[in-house]
Amino acid sequence: QKEVEQDPGPLSVPEGAIVSLNCTYSNSAFQYFMWYRQYSRKGPELLMYTYSSGNKEDGRFTAQVDKSSKYISLFIRDSQPSDSATYLCAMSAYRLGTSYDKVIFGPGTSLSVIP
Amino acid sequence: NAGVTQTPKFRVLKTGQSMTLLCAQDMNHEYMYWYRQDPGMGLRLIHYSVGEGTTAKGEVPDGYNVSRLKKQNFLLGLESAAPSQTSVYFCASSYSIATATNTEAFFGQGTRLTVV
Repeated sequence: QKEVEQDPGPLSVPEGAIVSLNCTYSNSAFQYFMWYRQYSRKGPELLMYTYSSGNKEDGRFTAQVDKSSKYISLFIRDSQPSDSATYLCAMSAYRLGTSYDKVIFGPGTSLSVIP
Repeated sequence: NAGVTQTPKFRVLKTGQSMTLLCAQDMNHEYMYWYRQDPGMGLRLIHYSVGEGTTAKGEVPDGYNVSRLKKQNFLLGLESAAPSQTSVYFCASSYSIATATNTEAFFGQGTRLTVV
């Protein structure tokens, strides 16, 4: 079983739709959860970052973490064609006193928002 | 603002050839990383560096070597390229990895490498 699973899609939605992107993970030690957005032929860029469980909102984006279910989500409200990209979840388990905490990336979900 | 710059952007190698990928960052970051991205696999860490003069192995280090002689540069070498190394390679850097609020890594635009 992979440490982080993510539906690769592709996911196609009409403009204005609410998009739900999800990842599941197996390592209960993960505490830091990130969503990266990657446009075609570009490097990933950090979109949202959350610590432990709960929700975090930033404009049209909401990140949700449910550690009890080992499940994280990214919601995009009022989706726009400019949101068309691949979305990668990433997570890590920071250990105090270590020099490096490994970040594990999901394979990414490809999203297309159709005008 | 250049950020993270990778050279070259594309390359085709024959099996057994060697090459070096260059990563340069102008953000004075301590941490630098080399990842490879393959379809359905996500980003996998090859090697990383926690500061000038240091390197360490990541998840998939075999067949690669790295050097960090200058803080701003991180080189990835393939001594004898194999078709299994066909991939998109990303370099990234971050200010710090040891604190929760500084986990953002800034990525370069990638190098598309094909080994035939």
